[in-house]
Amino acid sequence: GAGVSQSPSNKVTEKGKDVELRCDPISGHTALYWYRQSLGQGLEFLIYFQGNSAPDKSGLPSDRFSAERTGGSVSTLTIQRTQQEDSAVYLCATEGWATQNEQFFGPGTRLTVL
Amino acid sequence: AQKITQTQPGMFVQEKEAVTLDCTYDTSDQSYGLFWYKQPSSGEMIFLIYQGSYDEQNATEGRYSLNFQKARKSANLVISASQLGDSAMYFCAMKENAGGTSYGKLTFGQGTILTVHP
Repeated sequence: GAGVSQSPSNKVTEKGKDVELRCDPISGHTALYWYRQSLGQGLEFLIYFQGNSAPDKSGLPSDRFSAERTGGSVSTLTIQRTQQEDSAVYLCATEGWATQNEQFFGPGTRLTVL
Repeated sequence: AQKITQTQPGMFVQEKEAVTLDCTYDTSDQSYGLFWYKQPSSGEMIFLIYQGSYDEQNATEGRYSLNFQKARKSANLVISASQLGDSAMYFCAMKENAGGTSYGKLTFGQGTILTVHP
């Protein structure tokens, strides 16, 4: 498809397990963002990749969170030793040169930590 | 301090009427961008409108317009001729150091739930 895709759409895991969330950007979009949406915290920025620059990790809430973007395309957000407070919807957004000032969001991954 | 403040947790409007959703922001940057997104109950984030800090005219996109008052640091969204499908959560967001061609993270407000009554 032409839009941002994310997988899985839903993930239920047990406390303490590791999870990986995937984001497939719109082709050609060089900027990729991860956000988290939870009831208590609203929509918050996690991490941002732009081209070959070092990622902006300033929003990651703890060192249990990490992300990588391979080949400037697909990105994976990894949460280690999940906690119940990690339960949220994780949204990926991408932005391209031709469409700057519009971040296109994926449908999100709903993570539930039991 | 909150960078983006949306003071209306919920708003109601009659179908075909206009409604204004409030947003104020706080930044010391001269160059920034302001955005509105719509999030229906399905959860998708839909981009509505963008206003650059140097834009002299208020942005408009169809039934959406952004009432940009720079001195007051407000960027209210006006929806004209409301439709039932406008019922959703609306988020105001800001990108700082956005010189019109810059990438950067968005900072979101808490959102306003808009309900359109028939």
